[in-house]
Amino acid sequence: DAGVIQSPRHEVTEMGQEVTLRCKPISGHNSLFWYRQTMMRGLELLIYFNNNVPIDDSGMPEDRFSAKMPNASFSTLKIQPSEPRDSAVYFCASTKSIHPMGNEQFFGPGTRLTVL
Amino acid sequence: DQQVKQNSPSLSVQEGRISILNCDYTNSMFDYFLWYKKYPAEGPTFLISISSIKDKNEDGRFTVFLNKSAKHLSLHIVPSQPGDSAVYFCAASNSGNTPLVFGKGTRLSVIA
Repeated sequence: DAGVIQSPRHEVTEMGQEVTLRCKPISGHNSLFWYRQTMMRGLELLIYFNNNVPIDDSGMPEDRFSAKMPNASFSTLKIQPSEPRDSAVYFCASTKSIHPMGNEQFFGPGTRLTVL
Repeated sequence: DQQVKQNSPSLSVQEGRISILNCDYTNSMFDYFLWYKKYPAEGPTFLISISSIKDKNEDGRFTVFLNKSAKHLSLHIVPSQPGDSAVYFCAASNSGNTPLVFGKGTRLSVIA
């Protein structure tokens, strides 16, 4: 298996532009998580899905952030409009079950976003 | 408010010695704890876990200790190797209901 796939790996954009991050989870995994990593806040959960349904988006910082999972093999995280403070590494992770015990989360390589 | 705290942003250890990474948590409902390891330009990977019914779990050179009364866990790596140099994240969960809550991470440098 190729593992969790994220694209792009790097994104540089200007303030005000729309940014779309993409994730393909591991086949057979039912839960998908989006995280953001910054020096100040560490690794914070933004939103997670179970069976393609958003379960908790309370970590999404603002209405400028939105996420979708149209099917079991694809998810997007969109920022519109982007701001310099959105600069971070964004990770996608997937797991077989939403319940953490015994269900390891597998992370993608991340997308490093820089908003100028 | 951080529910999982890793108060040491960095740690340097000599090769062959023991590395001890610490983690504190505030939520008494947490009953499942994990450590993830992250190399540069890669995503975090699972290292070791422990459930609250245990106070120790060992896997090769890695041992996690849990002190529930102190709401504290630690990861021991012995002997430390240069390849262990990475950022280590502590994570916790209320296993039945909630996803993982991560700490900010500790950067371990093992010096040859």
